[in-house]
Amino acid sequence: DAGVIQSPRHEVTEMGQEVTLRCKPISGHDYLFWYRQTMMRGLELLIYFNNNVPIDDSGMPEDRFSAKMPNASFSTLKIQPSEPRDSAVYFCASSGTGASYEQYFGPGTRLTVT
Amino acid sequence: QKEVEQNSGPLSVPEGAIASLNCTYSDRGSQSFFWYRQYSGKSPELIMSIYSNGDKEDGRFTAQLNKASQYVSLLIRDSQPSDSATYLCAVVPSGTYKYIFGTGTRLKVLA
Repeated sequence: DAGVIQSPRHEVTEMGQEVTLRCKPISGHDYLFWYRQTMMRGLELLIYFNNNVPIDDSGMPEDRFSAKMPNASFSTLKIQPSEPRDSAVYFCASSGTGASYEQYFGPGTRLTVT
Repeated sequence: QKEVEQNSGPLSVPEGAIASLNCTYSDRGSQSFFWYRQYSGKSPELIMSIYSNGDKEDGRFTAQLNKASQYVSLLIRDSQPSDSATYLCAVVPSGTYKYIFGTGTRLKVLA
């Protein structure tokens, strides 16, 4: 299994630009999670999906952030417009159903907004 | 009150010793507990999951869960320098599938 795939691995952009982060979950997993990690705030859950439907987006910081999951094998996290305080590492993770709930993380996207 | 608490460390142990990492949580109804290891610049890697009170062993790792006292711990036997990383505790509160992560404990194993 290829694991969770994220792209790009690094993104450097200027304030005000639109940023799109991409994620392909592990095949067969029906939960997908987007996290943000910073030194100050640690690992924060932004939003999660079940069967492509957003279940909890209470962690999305503000309206500049949006996430979609058009099908079982693809999700995007978009920031528009981006700000320097959005600089962080963004992780995507996926898990299957059942009692295990084990989440597996992708390699992350390091975002720098200048 | 934070939902999942960990000592940030660093916890320094000599090579070959037992490293003990602790985590407490606030939701008494939580049923699922996980330990992740994160090397600097890398993503979290699942190393242990535990769902029932007691101990669960996997190689050099032992997870311990005490739901009555609301704590979960990770023991690493025969610690190696390669175990030096940040260890994240995650808890799934009742009625949800989302994890609540602690802030992590940085472990340093001294050669």
